[in-house]
Amino acid sequence: EAGVTQFPSHSVIEKGQTVTLRCDPISGHDNLYWYRRVMGKEIKFLLHFVKESKQDESGMPNNRFLAERTGGTYSTLKVQPAELEDSGVYFCASSYRVNEQFFGPGTRLTVL
Amino acid sequence: DAKTTQPPSMDCAEGRAANLPCNHSTISGNEYVYWYRQIHSQGPQYIIHGLKNNETNEMASLIITEDRKSSTLILPHATLRDTAVYYCIVRVAPPTLDGNQFYFGTGTSLTVIP
Repeated sequence: EAGVTQFPSHSVIEKGQTVTLRCDPISGHDNLYWYRRVMGKEIKFLLHFVKESKQDESGMPNNRFLAERTGGTYSTLKVQPAELEDSGVYFCASSYRVNEQFFGPGTRLTVL
Repeated sequence: DAKTTQPPSMDCAEGRAANLPCNHSTISGNEYVYWYRQIHSQGPQYIIHGLKNNETNEMASLIITEDRKSSTLILPHATLRDTAVYYCIVRVAPPTLDGNQFYFGTGTSLTVIP
């Protein structure tokens, strides 16, 4: 069974540009989560989808971040415009039951 | 935010048991204890979770004290591949109003020494 996949694995952009991260959850997992770790900080929750609906987006830092999950399958996280402090590793996780969350390998975002 | 306290780092000899402690003195009756680990540059990996009984799976054992204020994750025969940051997390049994997120603290950096 394929795990959670994320694309790209690395992204380097300049301040002010737009970047879109993609997450493909494990097939059949209705729950999809985004987390991120910025430099030197702890892993922090961003938001949670149940199918295509946003269950909780309390961790989204500001309105430069937009997450979507059209059709309830894959999800995208767009950062527009990117700022220096957005640099970090963005993790996606999915779960069928909410006890176990299976994490992807992450996307390392560098904003110059 | 994170409601657990873990030592920042530990060493363990290869082949020996690694015992990772976690204090969660403010745990509520409906909160589970979860353990995840993050091997360098990878996403967090689920290890085990429990409520009040000790649990064991193919990866590890979880020992929870009777008062549930602390727990210990045991890797019975540590290998070099177990070198990672281990996170102890307490979370209310879902579904919850907060979206079932995990709060990762700073964890314990375990180094398995050859």
